[in-house]
Amino acid sequence: NAGVTQTPKFQVLKTGQSMTLQCAQDMNHNSMYWYRQDPGMGLRLIYYSASEGTTDKGEVPNGYNVSRLNKREFSLRLESAAPSQTSVYFCASTKRPKAADTQYFGPGTRLTVL
Amino acid sequence: ELKVEQNPLFLSMQEGKNYTIYCNYSTTSDRLYWYRQDPGKSLESLFVLLSNGAVKQEGRLMASLDTKARLSTLHITAAVHDLSATYFCAVDARNLIFGKGTKLSVKP
Repeated sequence: NAGVTQTPKFQVLKTGQSMTLQCAQDMNHNSMYWYRQDPGMGLRLIYYSASEGTTDKGEVPNGYNVSRLNKREFSLRLESAAPSQTSVYFCASTKRPKAADTQYFGPGTRLTVL
Repeated sequence: ELKVEQNPLFLSMQEGKNYTIYCNYSTTSDRLYWYRQDPGKSLESLFVLLSNGAVKQEGRLMASLDTKARLSTLHITAAVHDLSATYFCAVDARNLIFGKGTKLSVKP
């Protein structure tokens, strides 16, 4: 099992450009999440998908959109990148969030917006 | 608004010493998670604490949860260099709310 995979690993964008971050999991998990990590801020939830076909906003959703393409894949889109979106983005998944299963994290995407 | 506060945020220890990281949170929850992150890496699950009084141990790390005090602790016993990392607690309040992390450096 590869676990949670993310592409790309690194990306540099110019202000105003768009891009999609890809995430996939092969653990048959139901719920998937996108977080951003900024220095000294811990992780903050951007969007999540409790199950296939549903998505909801997290703590910091502005400037982002998501798509739960199928049970395996959950993508994060930046329509018009801003320097404030420079961050490390982590995707995570869990099988049974209501049963308090732990979340498994991908390797992260380091994004710089110039 | 739920707040999760970890302290200390930075911790420099000598090998062989003991220390405790504290995680306080501001709302009722009986589910708390501890993660470890090495520099430039992803987060790795350490412990899941699911009830008041829960205690879990793995090697030199022991985590506990007091839901009445809204406090979890991560105790390090006889620290070794390999424990150098950033440790996060996260409280389950419908979604996980993370603390800012404690950067631990263990020196010989």
